[in-house]
Amino acid sequence: DADVTQTPRNRITKTGKRIMLECSQTKGHDRMYWYRQDPGLGLRLIYYSFDVKDINKGEISDGYSVSRQAQAKFSLSLESAIPNQTALYFCATSTTVHNYGYTFGSGTRLTVV
Amino acid sequence: GESVGLHLPTLSVQEGDNSIINCAYSNSASDYFIWYKQESGKGPQFIIDIRSNMDKRQGQRVTVLLNKTVKHLSLQIAATQPGDSAVYFCAESAGNTPLVFGKGTRLSVIA
Repeated sequence: DADVTQTPRNRITKTGKRIMLECSQTKGHDRMYWYRQDPGLGLRLIYYSFDVKDINKGEISDGYSVSRQAQAKFSLSLESAIPNQTALYFCATSTTVHNYGYTFGSGTRLTVV
Repeated sequence: GESVGLHLPTLSVQEGDNSIINCAYSNSASDYFIWYKQESGKGPQFIIDIRSNMDKRQGQRVTVLLNKTVKHLSLQIAATQPGDSAVYFCAESAGNTPLVFGKGTRLSVIA
């Protein structure tokens, strides 16, 4: 099984719909992150959580919300999806010390039509 | 503001040659740097990291060089192979902050 699992892998949704992307990890890491990847723009941070009671906004948090349900679970919600939220979304985890950076999931490809 | 960028968006090299991928960063407080490799359809994978108290670190076929004076980071891949074809990202972090990623360089290996 993958260390960081994202579901769904692909999703097509309509404008205005609420959608949740889920992430679970078996790494035992405290920290979890949501990044968005667009062609030519690299990965941009949406939200991050350093532990279960900690939630922080990233560079592009508008239009998104998150929930850290447990140490192993971190979900990303789009309250009312819009077409420019079409992107590849990655969840990542890390320890409290920056050793070996982050472990990434395989990504969720989201299309908003 | 903080930024992590790359000099070349695409790089093509002959199989067997050495590859050099460059990255410029602007946050002088950054103290940790990482290179990631992303293959098509997959998440980024760790390649090598370096802390700001070092200027060079070597791994298997890869070397990362850090020049803090000019805020420049490079990834050298020796004897480039077809399996090295991917997008490469540099990323930086200052203290306890999340990683900030560059825009990526696509490496194409010509057989």
